[in-house]
Amino acid sequence: ETGVTQTPRHLVMGMTNKKSLKCEQHLGHNAMYWYKQSAKKPLELMFVYNFKEQTENNSVPSRFSPECPNSSHLFLHLHTLQPEDSALYLCASSQDLRDAGELFFGEGSRLTVL
Amino acid sequence: AQSVTQPDIHITVSEGASLELRCNYSYGATPYLFWYVQSPGQGLQLLLKYFSGDTLVQGIKGFEAEFKRSQSSFNLRKPSVHWSDAAEYFCAVGGVNDYKLSFGAGTTVTVRA
Repeated sequence: ETGVTQTPRHLVMGMTNKKSLKCEQHLGHNAMYWYKQSAKKPLELMFVYNFKEQTENNSVPSRFSPECPNSSHLFLHLHTLQPEDSALYLCASSQDLRDAGELFFGEGSRLTVL
Repeated sequence: AQSVTQPDIHITVSEGASLELRCNYSYGATPYLFWYVQSPGQGLQLLLKYFSGDTLVQGIKGFEAEFKRSQSSFNLRKPSVHWSDAAEYFCAVGGVNDYKLSFGAGTTVTVRA
């Protein structure tokens, strides 16, 4: 596989469920990102990891918990979400933070919270 | 604060016609500018970028963009649109050592036969 792969592509969960989104990049990049995409709104940067270290938490509620075990894998753990958290969650990577504009995106995980 | 405005929410263009998408930005330092495209059901793909130098930049898929500092704009153009160009287009701004890109809300392009 090449590029950035996200699983699952679609997820429906209740407000009391716990689920996780997974992202894997096969590009040898050192920086990874989680973005939230809601309809007709600008992409919102949620978390940034560089060499496995979190460098940004953009005031994201604690019901979203990221994990980056290595430079190739990124997770977003979800717990006690709200209906307004329904959105497309995009994972991206870049060579490093200096190349943060040159992002490679996965296809996203479409989350629906009931 | 940095921001990006894409004034056109939706544009419909005939196949073979030219396309121009507008982007205005606000950034307190020298901007790095980007255009991304998102086809239905896909993630975003980088079309082109501007860092410095020639203000007219060429990208993939036959797209080009022109940086106009005096107008704080970075408009995207394509001379002849193909049906496969139907997608959503996002303009973004960042800067040197600034990994927090600001994206616009996007412009949806519909191509009619």
